[in-house]
Amino acid sequence: GQNIDQPTEMTATEGAIVQINCTYQTSGFNGLFWYQQHAGEAPTFLSYNVLDGLEEKGRFSSFLSRSKGYSYLLLKELQMKDSASYLCAVRADYKLSFGAGTTVTVRA
Amino acid sequence: DVKVTQSSRYLVKRTGEKVFLECVQDMDHENMFWYRQDPGLGLRLIYFSYDVKMKEKGDIPEGYSVSREKKERFSLILESASTNQTSMYLCASSLRARDRGKRGYTFGSGTRLTVV
Repeated sequence: GQNIDQPTEMTATEGAIVQINCTYQTSGFNGLFWYQQHAGEAPTFLSYNVLDGLEEKGRFSSFLSRSKGYSYLLLKELQMKDSASYLCAVRADYKLSFGAGTTVTVRA
Repeated sequence: DVKVTQSSRYLVKRTGEKVFLECVQDMDHENMFWYRQDPGLGLRLIYFSYDVKMKEKGDIPEGYSVSREKKERFSLILESASTNQTSMYLCASSLRARDRGKRGYTFGSGTRLTVV
């Protein structure tokens, strides 16, 4: 399997920026995904990186450095509805392997 | 809207029972997957299938089996349920490798299984 590490919890204030880091060790790397999961719900797709660099999509951006085995998800202008778990996942062949997830709590 | 549907949202079963978890997708995806999700451990792959009647073991297959008789349906079977199989079970699907695009997997809403 893969070795994927991300922080367990983060807390931030509404309107602020939060950066969630993810490091991984893998063979056959073929893309890195970020998913959002609200409590009791299914994970939903946020972003995808396969080449080095930054992908921006509205308030969310994701960065990848393949040589460093490193990615981050940047959440800007935080809203209360962004309180959720954020999952880093690495694809190799058919399979996605997931980190344990980072629970982000947004405070007013 | 594309969907992955899991037949039950909540299940309570007794130790030793044979348990079937059903998953159906309407996207004509070739690949289907079963994960379990536990606090602090994240999602762990149990089994996956890349075609009808094909199956491959994931990272934690012990105590489970699967069945894929039709493309759209992938069943997870707990041969003899035990309390350590109490968990959230998530089904997912994706396109075949060369066509899978950038969205990774589509997940079902999950089945929370409690074994007592």
